Amino acid sequence: EVQLVESGGGLVQPGRSLKLSCAASEFTFSSYYMAWVRQAPKKGLEWVATISTSGNRTYYPDSVKGRFTISRDNAKSSLYLQMNSLKSEDTATYYCARPANTGDYFDYWGQGVMVTVSS
Amino acid sequence: DIQMTQSPHSLSASLGETVSIECLASEGISNYLAWYQQKPGKSPQLLIYYTSSLQDGVPSRFSGSGSGTQYSLKISNMQPEDEGVYYCQQGYKYPYTFGAGTKLELK
Repeated sequence: EVQLVESGGGLVQPGRSLKLSCAASEFTFSSYYMAWVRQAPKKGLEWVATISTSGNRTYYPDSVKGRFTISRDNAKSSLYLQMNSLKSEDTATYYCARPANTGDYFDYWGQGVMVTVSS
Repeated sequence: DIQMTQSPHSLSASLGETVSIECLASEGISNYLAWYQQKPGKSPQLLIYYTSSLQDGVPSRFSGSGSGTQYSLKISNMQPEDEGVYYCQQGYKYPYTFGAGTKLELK
């Protein structure tokens, strides 16, 4: 069974940085695009970033572009999200998600990690 | 960005009842529409992809339909385990966007 396990969340002050990690297992990590999706408390889902199999292509919505960086290490089957210049509106549970081979939907999700941005 | 408008915001259904949830895209998305179910404290689970394809392991009482800008999820024979929040998501173009969610409760 595909497993995605996020880590690195916590409480951080506005303007500071935080890096999330996602450890993947039970599938060929290097063959899949990977993504992050977030959910603010009591709110809906928001796609945050996607990275191609080799890492040479990345995609972001305007809400995080220039502040967040998605990356991956295929040798370690790991996905990362570097979050800089954090704002209170970035407070959310962050999910590591695997896009299907067609790339247009997410067939597996991690359990999520909470990020709280507050002074 | 493509806006996804989901309706209703919430609904309640009796055991065995059939319910439908609608999702309207602000522009055509060529059937690149997925549905997810989320239960309290859990991560979303994929139910349907490409409008009407059922994800492995999902009960056949879930079905999807639609085209162009209008899509729907139908749940036949409502069961207690179907309670949760349902989201639609377009995968036609970046930025991928989700509907606001529909909360389904058992009456």
